[in-house]
Amino acid sequence: DTGVSQDPRHKITKRGQNVTFRCDPISEHNRLYWYRQTLGQGPEFLTYFQNEAQLEKSRLLSDRFSAERPKGSFSTLEIQRTEQGDSAMYLCAGESGTGEGNTEAFFGQGTRLTVV
Amino acid sequence: GESVGLHLPTLSVQEGDNSIINCAYSNSASDYFIWYKQESGKGPQFIIDIRSNMDKRQGQRVTVLLNKTVKHLSLQIAATQPGDSAVYFCAENGGSYIPTFGRGTSLIVHP
Repeated sequence: DTGVSQDPRHKITKRGQNVTFRCDPISEHNRLYWYRQTLGQGPEFLTYFQNEAQLEKSRLLSDRFSAERPKGSFSTLEIQRTEQGDSAMYLCAGESGTGEGNTEAFFGQGTRLTVV
Repeated sequence: GESVGLHLPTLSVQEGDNSIINCAYSNSASDYFIWYKQESGKGPQFIIDIRSNMDKRQGQRVTVLLNKTVKHLSLQIAATQPGDSAVYFCAENGGSYIPTFGRGTSLIVHP
């Protein structure tokens, strides 16, 4: 158990609907990452938070995607007007980064999104 | 662009053998590397990490080797067990904080 929980584990939605996923890291995780993973591929970076500040966004994060981490604790990822190409596993990772360097990032179990 | 990749997409071994999974990286700014194990339907699980000021690090049954000269990373698993069957990913930080993943290698352990 990494201490990072994601909800829901599975989501099936109709094309055009909005969906929101939640990630709860442990309190020590000041850095939080969102990734997307499709079958047979490695996780692809979407966005990154340092506490409540969203510091970087991938070009993969179109304007239909938005992420928040309002109090520097849990985070949400919303996808508006879902498309079939959004079907993937959405992963969240927390890291207790301090200072200049990385430390190990721990992943949650992911949210599997299927857009029909 | 620069990327992280793996030499072999699938590795099959017999139970009890040692496994070696390789990874090439091309971003010379990377100073931190992680190996993850991912089982079907689950999130990646941290195995071991290494910083660029080291060339070897050992954990329980696992060893990571880093060769910065040729930008190569390897994961050695001793006495491989059926429970080690999974997809293994290496990740680099590209000199930033953001772990970047390669495609992964599927390890299949035959009893």
